[in-house]
Amino acid sequence: ELKVEQNPLFLSMQEGKNYTIYCNYSTTSDRLYWYRQDPGKSLESLFVLLSNGAVKQEGRLMASLDTKARLSTLHITAAVHDLSATYFCAVDGADRGSTLGRLYFGRGTQLTVWP
Amino acid sequence: DAGVIQSPRHEVTEMGQEVTLRCKPISGHDYLFWYRQTMMRGLELLIYFNNNVPIDDSGMPEDRFSAKMPNASFSTLKIQPSEPRDSAVYFCASRTGGGNIQYFGAGTRLSVL
Repeated sequence: ELKVEQNPLFLSMQEGKNYTIYCNYSTTSDRLYWYRQDPGKSLESLFVLLSNGAVKQEGRLMASLDTKARLSTLHITAAVHDLSATYFCAVDGADRGSTLGRLYFGRGTQLTVWP
Repeated sequence: DAGVIQSPRHEVTEMGQEVTLRCKPISGHDYLFWYRQTMMRGLELLIYFNNNVPIDDSGMPEDRFSAKMPNASFSTLKIQPSEPRDSAVYFCASRTGGGNIQYFGAGTRLSVL
């Protein structure tokens, strides 16, 4: 079965600092997704990465995908308190070029940003 | 669109009772997914449907769990009989056939006492 590993699982960082969350996966999929979940809330889509080398940015968050390394990163620049949440990466389980399949989620990275 | 709608938002029941969770996907979405989220196991896919047909139910924990999708705008997840270890947040999500993003509902927080 496809494995998705995120690290770190817990991240506590000071406002203004930079950090990167890593997402490794075990298949040749080239479709990867990042979601955000606030405590007690649902999951909200952040980024969709659909090809090798894809890079997406939104505010202080930037996501990238390296399909050859089977690695995606979520980089946080100059963190602010509002970014505190749990971040999930998810990989489409369908083979490259085939129709979209189910998603396999990582365990999530719980980010806390403190003053 | 109102998004994916789940009901109830919270359910508290006693062990042995039947529990039914409901989901209305986004109109036009032909894939529907049921997930369970717990601290111990994270986010698990239970079952998903395409055009109302179950495609993969390998994540359904045991025979006590069943899911149906009688039409394109409604799905249920039933637990009978419920057990304390079923306590979790259950999410429903939907997407289009050609769409990449799964849209999640607000979830149902289930507590089985």
